[in-house]
Amino acid sequence: IAGITQAPTSQILAAGRRMTLRCTQDMRHNAMYWYRQDLGLGLRLIHYSNTAGTTGKGEVPDGYSVSRANTDDFPLTLASAVPSQTSVYFCASSLLADRNEQFFGPGTRLTVL
Amino acid sequence: GQNIDQPTEMTATEGAIVQINCTYQTSGFNGLFWYQQHAGEAPTFLSYNVLDGLEEKGRFSSFLSRSKGYSYLLLKELQMKDSASYLCAVVDSNYQLIWGAGTKLIIKP
Repeated sequence: IAGITQAPTSQILAAGRRMTLRCTQDMRHNAMYWYRQDLGLGLRLIHYSNTAGTTGKGEVPDGYSVSRANTDDFPLTLASAVPSQTSVYFCASSLLADRNEQFFGPGTRLTVL
Repeated sequence: GQNIDQPTEMTATEGAIVQINCTYQTSGFNGLFWYQQHAGEAPTFLSYNVLDGLEEKGRFSSFLSRSKGYSYLLLKELQMKDSASYLCAVVDSNYQLIWGAGTKLIIKP
């Protein structure tokens, strides 16, 4: 792979179900991010990780959790999905946390019914 | 609070020039990014400004005035493929990106 990938591309999920969105990068970037993008709103940061083994909360973290066991992977978990989590989710990475040219994955379109 | 303002939508003609403005009020400033996002795709990097002035890169230029909390993206010789949303994002004092809602640019023949 080259760059940053996300899986699945899209998903329809029943409310209350647990879901993990996957994100993998092969650029050896230290920092990774999860955003959601909703119509009429800017990208909103959910969680971030400045380096493997550390994570932090962004602007809208409630209902989401992340882990960063290694440099390459940064999964996002919805423990019990709700309809308001219907959105397009983008994973991104940057070489360093303070050098913020971010590279984005192709996105996951999630619908919670 | 932190705020990034951009026009919601703009229309321009193929071959013309368009300027997309961005004003910001953030807790600290460590740079400003412009990204392009085609419909259904991921954002891609266009430019980065941290000092006042104009940065030129081919048909695209970006300007920053830190004292005015203002930036613009200038697109010259517009092509149909420039139809996209343009996102302004400011790096705040915590080195987090604060994103504007984006400007949808429609190019007409």
